[in-house]
Amino acid sequence: GAGVSQSPSNKVTEKGKDVELRCDPISGHTALYWYRQSLGQGLEFLIYFQGNSAPDKSGLPSDRFSAERTGGSVSTLTIQRTQQEDSAVYLCASSPRPTVNTEAFFGQGTRLTVV
Amino acid sequence: QKEVEQDPGPLSVPEGAIVSLNCTYSNSAFQYFMWYRQYSRKGPELLMYTYSSGNKEDGRFTAQVDKSSKYISLFIRDSQPSDSATYLCAMMVSATNKLIFGTGTLLAVQP
Repeated sequence: GAGVSQSPSNKVTEKGKDVELRCDPISGHTALYWYRQSLGQGLEFLIYFQGNSAPDKSGLPSDRFSAERTGGSVSTLTIQRTQQEDSAVYLCASSPRPTVNTEAFFGQGTRLTVV
Repeated sequence: QKEVEQDPGPLSVPEGAIVSLNCTYSNSAFQYFMWYRQYSRKGPELLMYTYSSGNKEDGRFTAQVDKSSKYISLFIRDSQPSDSATYLCAMMVSATNKLIFGTGTLLAVQP
């Protein structure tokens, strides 16, 4: 595709339910990031995948959050037992460079609301 | 203290004005400095990036990095209403490939 695609664009879920957010990166991009953007908080790093290397999970806020990237392409971010504080926009980005990823292309995000 | 500090604004200027946006940071290991623009309900898009200290110009946009002061700036000349957006600074240590963002400054250019 032409850009990074995220689905769904909006998700409303009840507290305690699990949710899955999907990211389709730009074809051929080896690096993939997940960020969370809350009102007034900027972008918070969650996880980074680079090729076949072990992902950098240092930004995941709790063990309720997990992510995987299958076949070096599509990625899924899973939030288990959602809480109201999980409400935010979840952004995915991909980058073409295998080393210094200064050109990260972002998707439009998934707006998650936990009620 | 956050690693990257950015005034959230909002900043309102008349069309044609010169805009100055700034970020400060605490981690002296940062090597790459980026500016992203984010329109409402869209993902951020990269405007420019600079490696280490110095200036970089691209059309109406100029990025400056002063590593001795841990201070970066983005200048927009001849601002246009279409420049109205949130501007996010981001920084990175090349060894980690992890982008650390500021909170963003909301800019409104009034016609």
